[in-house]
Amino acid sequence: DIVMTQSPATLSVSPGERATLSCRASESVSSNLAWYQQKPGQAPRLLIYGASTRATDIPARFSGSGSGTEFTLTISSLQSEDFAVYYCQQYSRGPPFLFTFGPGTRVDVK
Amino acid sequence: EVQLVESGGGLVKPGGSLRLSCAASGFTFTIYSMNWVRQAPGKGPEWVSFISASANYEYYADSMKGRFTISRDNAKNSLFLQMNSLRPEDTAVYYCVRGDFADYHFDYWGQGALVTVSS
Repeated sequence: DIVMTQSPATLSVSPGERATLSCRASESVSSNLAWYQQKPGQAPRLLIYGASTRATDIPARFSGSGSGTEFTLTISSLQSEDFAVYYCQQYSRGPPFLFTFGPGTRVDVK
Repeated sequence: EVQLVESGGGLVKPGGSLRLSCAASGFTFTIYSMNWVRQAPGKGPEWVSFISASANYEYYADSMKGRFTISRDNAKNSLFLQMNSLRPEDTAVYYCVRGDFADYHFDYWGQGALVTVSS
């Protein structure tokens, strides 16, 4: 099974600053990597898929990069609404359809 | 507007059973794969199960195999999760989640249904 790891576990950032979150897969997942944002009491929301494609209505300050086993989510200038937990996920585009989430990175106010 | 509305959650004793339902609307349900994802209190999301658009493929996370069964009724735009032999560690919010038509990432999530397994 593919194991996803994320670092750091917590990232303290001031509003307006840049945040860089990392995600690593235990084996290559090609570009089958998504990022989700979750705020307290809400379901996760899709931010990025295909490692670098922003989902509908996601602001341009969110960008994703990487392929294979190493991925990065960058938030260029943190807004107050961006303080949340971010999860990466590897997904399958063909059988077997198996999916794995990382443990998450919490982005909080410095 | 895509809507996914879960129902059927509640309190159940260890060893008991529960059936979750998800009513889908706002899109052509019959052409999309669907998933169940759960999230235990204070933990990250955990994928539970996948079903293809025509129900010819079903997959489960290892810890759910043999206990959980995913199904769908395309005529009624509904997704189901039958959960048997429930354990306290199955306590979680269970989300109904749509898979993207071409890429299978999770593009829309329901609001979740809480399942509590406790004596």
